[in-house]
Amino acid sequence: QKEVEQNSGPLSVPEGAIASLNCTYSDRGSQSFFWYRQYSGKSPELIMFIYSNGDKEDGRFTAQLNKASQYVSLLIRDSQPSDSATYLCAVNDVTGGGNKLTFGTGTQLKVEL
Amino acid sequence: SAVISQKPSRDICQRGTSLTIQCQVDSQVTMMFWYRQQPGQSLTLIATANQGSEATYESGFVIDKFPISRPNLTFSTLTVSNMSPEDSSIYLCSVDPRTGYTFGSGTRLTVV
Repeated sequence: QKEVEQNSGPLSVPEGAIASLNCTYSDRGSQSFFWYRQYSGKSPELIMFIYSNGDKEDGRFTAQLNKASQYVSLLIRDSQPSDSATYLCAVNDVTGGGNKLTFGTGTQLKVEL
Repeated sequence: SAVISQKPSRDICQRGTSLTIQCQVDSQVTMMFWYRQQPGQSLTLIATANQGSEATYESGFVIDKFPISRPNLTFSTLTVSNMSPEDSSIYLCSVDPRTGYTFGSGTRLTVV
C-alpha cells in the first residue's frame, strides 16, 4: 500500500512568518509531487508541482524535494491570513501504466493576525 | 490549465436512489479521474476513466455501485447507485493536462 504521510496539524503561524509543511512518501518509484490548497467547502487547487530534487520557487511558495529521504515540503513565505487552508500533498503513481495521484491526509494551516 | 465544469454542485437524495454526476472539460484529455472525499478526510480515488475503454476501479470500489461513462475526450459521468447514507461525500472529477492535475468544483452529496 503506497502511503503519503502528512502531519494533520493545525499548524499555526503568525502573519508574515514562514510556514513549513512537510510530506513523506513510501514509494521510491514516485516521480512527481504536487501540493494542493483546499479551502473549507471547496475543491483542491493546484499550488505547484515538482519533479526534480532540489527547490522550485513560485512567488511566495517554494517546493523542496529530496528523493533520497523520500520527503517533499512546501514553504510559504510572508504568510497571510488568506493562506489559512488545508494543504494536501499528492504523489504520482505510474505503476501498471496508470497515472494517478495518491493524496496525504492534509495539513491544516492557520495564519494568525 | 484545463477548466472543468462539474454538476450538480450539490444534491440531497433519498436512500436507494441513484445520482449521476457530470464533468465537462474545456479541452481534450486522455484520462479523467473520479475521487471521493468523505467528511474531514482526504481524497480517495474511485476510478480512472479513459475514452474508449472501461474504467479502472480502485480497491473497494465496484462498477455496479459506481458506473462510469466516458463517451469522448471532454466528458465523463459518475453514477452513485443504490445510495445509502454512507455515500454522503464530496465527489470530484480531475484531469491530467500534463502540467498538474486540476479538479472540478465538486458535488456535495447528502443521502437521507
